[in-house]
Amino acid sequence: ETGVTQSPTHLIKTRGQQVTLRCSSQSGHNTVSWYQQALGQGPQFIFQYYREEENGRGNFPPRFSGLQFPNYSSELNVNALELDDSALYLCASSLEGGSHYNEQFFGPGTRLTVL
Amino acid sequence: GNSVTQMEGPVTLSEEAFLTINCTYTATGYPSLFWYVQYPGEGLQLLLKATKADDKGSNKGFEATYRKETTSFHLEKGSVQVSDSAVYFCALSPISGGYQKVTFGTGTKLQVIP
Repeated sequence: ETGVTQSPTHLIKTRGQQVTLRCSSQSGHNTVSWYQQALGQGPQFIFQYYREEENGRGNFPPRFSGLQFPNYSSELNVNALELDDSALYLCASSLEGGSHYNEQFFGPGTRLTVL
Repeated sequence: GNSVTQMEGPVTLSEEAFLTINCTYTATGYPSLFWYVQYPGEGLQLLLKATKADDKGSNKGFEATYRKETTSFHLEKGSVQVSDSAVYFCALSPISGGYQKVTFGTGTKLQVIP
């Protein structure tokens, strides 16, 4: 069973640029969620995708967008980067309707630094 | 809305000491409750969970009991090891709502010294 993987591991961008982060779900999982974890804080929910549709969103502006592909992998896109976007971005996959409903499995994260 | 409050850290303990990390929550209905652990430079790992009142989650010597009457889910371990040094997050997820949004606390850093 393959766990959740994310790429890249680290990324440095400048203010105003755009970034794409990638996530591969755990085998058999059909739902993916993205979280932002600022230094010293708990993860904050950005949004969730199920069957290629966004089905929930936290308090993040529209410049945070995402995609889920037929193989359930996912992308997080952030436009017009701001300094406060510097954080660890975590992807979590889960199985909607499975016996472990709402148990999410996290990837190692992508550390984004905005200069 | 939903929220999770956990005790401030860092918590520093000697090896083999007893650990308690307090966690209380605010939510409607009966959410599922979780403890996640994050080791330095890594993502989050699910440590244990409980899905209904009076359930006890346990794993690797850690335990937590879902207390509906006090809206609490305190994490305990009888004898900590140096390898338990990490940041611990209490979290909840509502059963209803159409999607699985997990709300996390701010985390409690545990340092165990030999």
